[in-house]
Amino acid sequence: DGGITQSPKYLFRKEGQNVTLSCEQNLNHDAMYWYRQDPGQGLRLIYYSQIVNDFQKGDIAEGYSVSREKKESFPLTVTSAQKNPTAFYLCASSPRRINQPQHFGDGTRLSIL
Amino acid sequence: AQSVSQHNHHVILSEAASLELGCNYSYGGTVNLFWYVQYPGQHLQLLLKYFSGDPLVKGIKGFEAEFIKSKFSFNLRKPSVQWSDTAEYFCAVKKGSQGNLIFGKGTKLSVKP
Repeated sequence: DGGITQSPKYLFRKEGQNVTLSCEQNLNHDAMYWYRQDPGQGLRLIYYSQIVNDFQKGDIAEGYSVSREKKESFPLTVTSAQKNPTAFYLCASSPRRINQPQHFGDGTRLSIL
Repeated sequence: AQSVSQHNHHVILSEAASLELGCNYSYGGTVNLFWYVQYPGQHLQLLLKYFSGDPLVKGIKGFEAEFIKSKFSFNLRKPSVQWSDTAEYFCAVKKGSQGNLIFGKGTKLSVKP
């Protein structure tokens, strides 16, 4: 079945460490997105990529970095510069054709030790 | 800045009660509108979407939403809720056909059996 796979499901980080969250999709979607979900805050866009080798900052990109070397993969690195990284991170993808909804992965919950 | 407002943070209903969740947005141009649902422990799923045409949109599981352009609203409704509808519901707006999604903060629905 086609879908979006995020790994790991749970991730723990020590202070000062960078961690990378994986997102892989086999839906042949061009566009991919990373969101952060905090209780009572909804989803906020961190980074997005409309095409391979190109990505753009979202609303809360500070302290995060991404790469898009392959169409299927859009990893997110949470750097030590992100002061409040504890959150639920959601990856999504969509076709580039207009009027297409985004599909979401199951998410990764990141906690600071 | 474009924003999406969901009026209720937490709604508690008994089974068979009717449901209406409010969603208002601030953008004045062409918009695409979505409702997503997140059941406990599951990923975000698309409930319904509006792109154009009939402003009354029917989605999965008996949900519907009405786009009222003059009120900048896209309220979600269901005539009779079930315990299995317990979830968090997110309204989202896309500016034009290619913009990014802007999410509301979500409404938690708890249905008492």
